[in-house]
Amino acid sequence: SAVISQKPSRDICQRGTSLTIQCQVDSQVTMMFWYRQQPGQSLTLIATANQGSEATYESGFVIDKFPISRPNLTFSTLTVSNMSPEDSSIYLCSVGQGAREKLFFGSGTQLSVL
Amino acid sequence: AQRVTQPEKLLSVFKGAPVELKCNYSYSGSPELFWYVQYSRQRLQLLLRHISRESIKGFTADLNKGETSFHLKKPFAQEEDSAMYYCALRSGATNKLIFGTGTLLAVQP
Repeated sequence: SAVISQKPSRDICQRGTSLTIQCQVDSQVTMMFWYRQQPGQSLTLIATANQGSEATYESGFVIDKFPISRPNLTFSTLTVSNMSPEDSSIYLCSVGQGAREKLFFGSGTQLSVL
Repeated sequence: AQRVTQPEKLLSVFKGAPVELKCNYSYSGSPELFWYVQYSRQRLQLLLRHISRESIKGFTADLNKGETSFHLKKPFAQEEDSAMYYCALRSGATNKLIFGTGTLLAVQP
């Protein structure tokens, strides 16, 4: 199994600012994903972080709002830009070794926007 | 459209009682179904997946394509089973997961 370190674990931010969340894995992984879990709701996939190329975003999510970097096979960042209270959520990093393999999840970043 | 439905937000049972957490899905191809569990203050983790046909912590789940269901069952609930359970579907050749809204299982002593 992959060991995933996600930082920060929580943060309280002001409206209009941006927060970058980091996801570090202890081994090289093929696939990295970013999910959002809004209060009382299920996990929703934001995007697939592709190594060496732009992330692939799901419907309803755009690069300007959620820029993602993936410089190598063990690290990715998600930025929540120009935050509003509606962005208050848990953001989760998930990794997998390949298609149809098990996915592992980070411990999440709990974001509160005032 | 691909969708996972968990009709119960909360399921409360007594210790030793049988448990069934319901999951229905909507998918046009051959789905791959999973159950994930999140214990209090812990990260989300895989409980079981239908292709493995395994039993983990006494839980089993059978994929019923006719009823498009993947219900999670355990004959005798334990207090340590109290957690949030998510049913998920993986489509195609990607690793993207589509999650249900989750069911909170509360096992009373």
